[in-house]
Amino acid sequence: AQSVTQLGSHVSVSEGALVLLRCNYSSSVPPYLFWYVQYPNQGLQLLLKYTSAATLVKGINGFEAEFKKSETSFHLTKPSAHMSDAAEYFCAVSPPYAGNMLTFGGGTRLMVKP
Amino acid sequence: SAVISQKPSRDICQRGTSLTIQCQVDSQVTMMFWYRQQPGQSLTLIATANQGSEATYESGFVIDKFPISRPNLTFSTLTVSNMSPEDSSIYLCSVGLTGTLGDEQFFGPGTRLTVL
Repeated sequence: AQSVTQLGSHVSVSEGALVLLRCNYSSSVPPYLFWYVQYPNQGLQLLLKYTSAATLVKGINGFEAEFKKSETSFHLTKPSAHMSDAAEYFCAVSPPYAGNMLTFGGGTRLMVKP
Repeated sequence: SAVISQKPSRDICQRGTSLTIQCQVDSQVTMMFWYRQQPGQSLTLIATANQGSEATYESGFVIDKFPISRPNLTFSTLTVSNMSPEDSSIYLCSVGLTGTLGDEQFFGPGTRLTVL
């Protein structure tokens, strides 16, 4: 069984500040890990994914995430927040080679203050 | 990737009625999924709909309440039957595709349902 925990349902940062959204997973086998973003009134868009290749994964819009097996974490970061980054972010996990079978975390709403 | 559209984009319905949500994909896909996103919550998988077979429902979801059709490789419908206010949610369809880095899902824009 797999599960994902996102620490902090709401995160607020100032424009230009570092964005850090936390995700911890539980899985009996090395998983695939994903970050999705959901802008208001839109569907989910894939930001990046880890599939057992490089542990530091770069995604779209300047986001990146690092897979840390020892910490069972896959935190999402961006060096400098932009107003357009305000959205809901979801971490998800799937079994390896089964990226279709997603289990989502509870989501983190990112707010960016001017 | 895939372009996915859903109809309607939103609706307001009376309790006891049913609503059918359509999901159209611009390419042929084998695996389609239906999710529910209750207000302020994460996504919960309702069922997996593969063309040519009966939909597979997750725990807590039953066919009588959420019948699904999958008549071909580009289209699916989800019906929310005998609705109650607790069914007020965003319903999303997604498709599973195999890319250069393995399987991933692409999501439609969602259908925002309000039940009065």
